[in-house]
Amino acid sequence: SQTIHQWPATLVQPVGSPLSLECTVEGTSNPNLYWYRQAAGRGLQLLFYSVGIGQISSEVPQNLSASRPQDRQFILSSKKLLLSDSGFYLCAWSEVILLNTEAFFGQGTRLTVV
Amino acid sequence: GENVEQHPSTLSVQEGDSAVIKCTYSDSASNYFPWYKQELGKRPQLIIDIRSNVGEKKDQRIAVTLNKTAKHFSLHITETQPEDSAVYFCAAGRKSGGYNKLIFGAGTRLAVHP
Repeated sequence: SQTIHQWPATLVQPVGSPLSLECTVEGTSNPNLYWYRQAAGRGLQLLFYSVGIGQISSEVPQNLSASRPQDRQFILSSKKLLLSDSGFYLCAWSEVILLNTEAFFGQGTRLTVV
Repeated sequence: GENVEQHPSTLSVQEGDSAVIKCTYSDSASNYFPWYKQELGKRPQLIIDIRSNVGEKKDQRIAVTLNKTAKHFSLHITETQPEDSAVYFCAAGRKSGGYNKLIFGAGTRLAVHP
């Protein structure tokens, strides 16, 4: 069966520090991978998606970047965090072959920038 | 651009009552409409979904209806229980540039009071 792992679960970082959140998927090949951000009391905003290794697309301009160095690994990064980067970050995956399949979410990372 | 409007943002009901959450979407190419439930501090999880060739789908106490002409879909929960308390997200999805694109609503915080 497929599983998705995301870490760390919580993170407190000072303004201006770098960020690296990691997500890995097991049990599937060539998945679509996503990073979402959920601000407090808000919906899920799509930040990045990837259809393959090295292929990253951004939905919104921002202070963050993403990379996919391996088929089932997706990394969210920042060189210098801003206060506005605080939020709940969720990695997700979906099947490529089937149309309109559900997105499976990781357990999320609660990032607080202080 | 593409967006999904979700109402209400908060909903409070008594145990045993019904709850209805409504969403409208703007992208006429959307053909997949999932609903996710997110308990406090946890990942969103799919509870039901509907595709554009179906007008209604039911699974025990939850049902979803879709009106493609009006670009409108709804979640209905009957005989609500305290464990139904959570944030519910609707989404509208389609294939876009080789990936499954999901646009989420802002969420509805449902509180079921005993």
